[in-house]
Amino acid sequence: DTGVSQNPRHKITKRGQNVTFRCDPISEHNRLYWYRQTLGQGPEFLTYFQNEAQLEKSRLLSDRFSAERPKGSFSTLEIQRTEQGDSAMYLCASSRYRGPIKNTGELFFGEGSRLTVL
Amino acid sequence: KQEVTQIPAALSVPEGENLVLNCSFTDSAIYNLQWFRQDPGKGLTSLLLIQSSQREQTSGRLNASLDKSSGRSTLYIAASQPGDSATYLCAVRLDQGAQKLVFGQGTRLTINP
Repeated sequence: DTGVSQNPRHKITKRGQNVTFRCDPISEHNRLYWYRQTLGQGPEFLTYFQNEAQLEKSRLLSDRFSAERPKGSFSTLEIQRTEQGDSAMYLCASSRYRGPIKNTGELFFGEGSRLTVL
Repeated sequence: KQEVTQIPAALSVPEGENLVLNCSFTDSAIYNLQWFRQDPGKGLTSLLLIQSSQREQTSGRLNASLDKSSGRSTLYIAASQPGDSATYLCAVRLDQGAQKLVFGQGTRLTINP
């Protein structure tokens, strides 16, 4: 168990460019989440997957954002035409859903990918 | 709409003191509450998870309590150490079907040697 892994850890880009972040969850975790955290604030929910299905998206996830989890393992978060307001830490988390009785709901987070848009 | 508040925003105490961090939430109908630690520029480390049916959880020098009826949770840190310096975040899950955690803004804790 190597924990949740995120790459790259830090990305600096110019406004208008596209960026992609990758998240590798803890093995056997079937749920994967993306959160965004700006300086001095708590993380805010963006979206989550159960296996390969994207089941919920926040209104924070504008049309420029797209997330995928094609094989139910790793996930990517792409931001198109980046804006300075997209500068934030993008956090990935995973959990193992075992059904309504055994599910603890505990989330495990990665180290995050920090995006700086110039 | 569920709102989570953490007071104070920052706390500085001498090494060795016991301390309490506070978390309040507006809607008492929660599924669970989780406390996290975040070091500067890093991700979140899960510290304790309290289910809605539980009153407290303990891990080493940490003890978290939950009072759903009053919409409050506290994180007690005993015999604080400089290595405890970090931001502490609490987050609530609204119900079993809800997937998002609602976070507070965190308390930035500094333990002075």
